[in-house]
Amino acid sequence: AQTVTQSQPEMSVQEAETVTLSCTYDTSESDYYLFWYKQPPSRQMILVIRQEAYKQQNATENRFSVNFQKAAKSFSLKISDSQLGDAAMYFCAYCDFGNEKLTFGTGTRLTIIP
Amino acid sequence: DTGVSQNPRHKITKRGQNVTFRCDPISEHNRLYWYRQTLGQGPEFLTYFQNEAQLEKSRLLSDRFSAERPKGSFSTLEIQRTEQGDSAMYLCASSPVGQRATGELFFGEGSRLTVL
Repeated sequence: AQTVTQSQPEMSVQEAETVTLSCTYDTSESDYYLFWYKQPPSRQMILVIRQEAYKQQNATENRFSVNFQKAAKSFSLKISDSQLGDAAMYFCAYCDFGNEKLTFGTGTRLTIIP
Repeated sequence: DTGVSQNPRHKITKRGQNVTFRCDPISEHNRLYWYRQTLGQGPEFLTYFQNEAQLEKSRLLSDRFSAERPKGSFSTLEIQRTEQGDSAMYLCASSPVGQRATGELFFGEGSRLTVL
């Protein structure tokens, strides 16, 4: 079974600074998706960024980028120019290609310090 | 608003009572998922439907849990004889299939269950 591990229960960063959230996963599959989802307090979970395993190029979405290391099974999220609205729980998630059944990590609570 | 809608948002019940949650997915989405999230944990998969067919159930889904999606649109999740361990946030998500599928799930705001 696939597993996703987030080893940082909490992180904090000064506003406008950069922070990196870590994620490792375990799978025997070669084709899969990796995701970072954001869950603000009392609001629904939304997709931050998505990476297809067959793509070598790291995904980027505005201030959010990933460092995808397939051999190491590592998938970290970098948030640049942190903003107060970035404060949330961040979940790393995995799914096999063609099946959107997600396996989530335990999450990292990100606090932005004004 | 055409997002995923869940009702009720909060439910407090006494142990042993039955509860039912409803999820209305994004209208053009064929797949519908139920997840459970306990405090301090990530969501855990419970079950999913493609149209009206329930294609997979997790071992977490005990006999007291039943989910339906009778017309391939909205879905219900019923918990019978609730236990304190059922207290959690129940999340519903939907996704399209076929060429529009990207692996992304679209989540509702969840239904929080508290069993006293």
